[in-house]
Amino acid sequence: DTGVSQDPRHKITKRGQNVTFRCDPISEHNRLYWYRQTLGQGPEFLTYFQNEAQLEKSRLLSDRFSAERPKGSFSTLEIQRTEQGDSAMYLCASSWAYEQYFGPGTRLTVT
Amino acid sequence: AQTVTQSQPEMSVQEAETVTLSCTYDTSENNYYLFWYKQPPSRQMILVIRQEAYKQQNATENRFSVNFQKAAKSFSLKISDSQLGDTAMYFCALYPYSGAGSYQLTFGKGTKLSVIP
Repeated sequence: DTGVSQDPRHKITKRGQNVTFRCDPISEHNRLYWYRQTLGQGPEFLTYFQNEAQLEKSRLLSDRFSAERPKGSFSTLEIQRTEQGDSAMYLCASSWAYEQYFGPGTRLTVT
Repeated sequence: AQTVTQSQPEMSVQEAETVTLSCTYDTSENNYYLFWYKQPPSRQMILVIRQEAYKQQNATENRFSVNFQKAAKSFSLKISDSQLGDTAMYFCALYPYSGAGSYQLTFGKGTKLSVIP
């Protein structure tokens, strides 16, 4: 069990560019979550998958954000036309039941 | 909607002493779980302790224990014999379990704990 992994760990991009992050959950976990954490705040929920189905999306997830989980394994989070307000830590978590285990996060900086 | 409030942005404690971090919450759900997560500087979030709302007995994990007051909607974390490695942001989180859908964690804003040698 290697835990939840995320790639890349850091991403710097120019405003207007598209970025994609990857999350690999713990292998036996069927639930996968994306959160966003800004400086000095707790993580805020973005979206949730059970297997390959995206079952819940936050109002925070604007039309520029899209997430997928093909075949119920890894997940990707794409942000199109990035804005400076998208700068944050993007956290992925996975679970089998109610305990969520977090990855190290991807820190996005939009310049 | 759920809310979690941590009213102490920063705290400090001397090594080997005891410290208590406060958390209050609000939810309309009858069934839920409460968690404390620890996020060390530049490191990932780690689950410290959990409490099922239907259990009256307070959870303990080694040096970490909670004081769960369901009627008051209060969920404080006590760290005994504080160690330098306890220095971190601590987040209180609520997970409502209604079976009706939402599986999201709602977090407080966190308490930054510094353990002083």
